[in-house]
Amino acid sequence: EPEVTQTPSHQVTQMGQEVILRCVPISNHLYFYWYRQILGQKVEFLVSFYNNEISEKSEIFDDQFSVERPDGSNFTLKIRSTKLEDSAMYFCASSDSGRPGQETQYFGPGTRLLVL
Amino acid sequence: AQTVTQSQPEMSVQEAETVTLSCTYDTSENNYYLFWYKQPPSRQMILVIRQEAYKQQNATENRFSVNFQKAAKSFSLKISDSQLGDTAMYFCAVYMNRDDKIIFGKGTRLHILP
Repeated sequence: EPEVTQTPSHQVTQMGQEVILRCVPISNHLYFYWYRQILGQKVEFLVSFYNNEISEKSEIFDDQFSVERPDGSNFTLKIRSTKLEDSAMYFCASSDSGRPGQETQYFGPGTRLLVL
Repeated sequence: AQTVTQSQPEMSVQEAETVTLSCTYDTSENNYYLFWYKQPPSRQMILVIRQEAYKQQNATENRFSVNFQKAAKSFSLKISDSQLGDTAMYFCAVYMNRDDKIIFGKGTRLHILP
C-alpha cells in the first residue's frame, strides 16, 4: 500500500534556528496537510495545501511558518525561528480529495522536533 | 510493519443509539498508548479518549468508552447515546514509546442521523 514518508524522523535544534521538515505525499494525491501533536496528546491542525496554495490554516500557523511544494514530490514545512513551544511531533498527511469530512487522509510517521 | 486498521470507512446511526468503531493494530512493542481522535470539518483534532497499554481497565470519558483487548490488539470506541454533534471523522492512533512513533488509522466517517 502506498504511504506518506517524512524526514527526518527526529530533529533537534536551537531556539531561533530555522528548520525544514520534509514530507513525500502519496504520488497521485493533490491535497496536503500538516498537523502537530503536543505533549503526546493534543493534535493541532496547522495548514492544508492544494494547487500550490494554502487552502486553510489555523491560528497557530503564523508568519513563522511556511509550506512549499518545491519539486512536485516533496511537501515541506519551514519554521523560520523556532521557539521552545514548537517542540512537538509534526505529521504530514495527504489525500486525493479536499472536501472536509469526505477525504481519506493518509498520515506520515511524523518528525519529532525538539527545540532547545 | 506497525499498522493501524480501521475497517469501517463510514458508518451511520440514529441519534441516541450506541455505535462502536473498530480499530486493530499491529506492533511488537509492549509499551504503547492508544488514542481516539475526533476530527470535525474544521480539521481540528479533538482527543476523545486515551488508553495506556499497560492498564487493563478500559478507559471511559463520559459517553465514550473503549474496549481494549491487548492480546487481540483491538481498541474499539463505543459512543453511547450518540448526538448530532458526534458526526465527524474518527481516527484511531497508536504511539510506540520505544520508537517514539505514532501511527494513525485511515479514519472512520461517522454520521449521526436525526
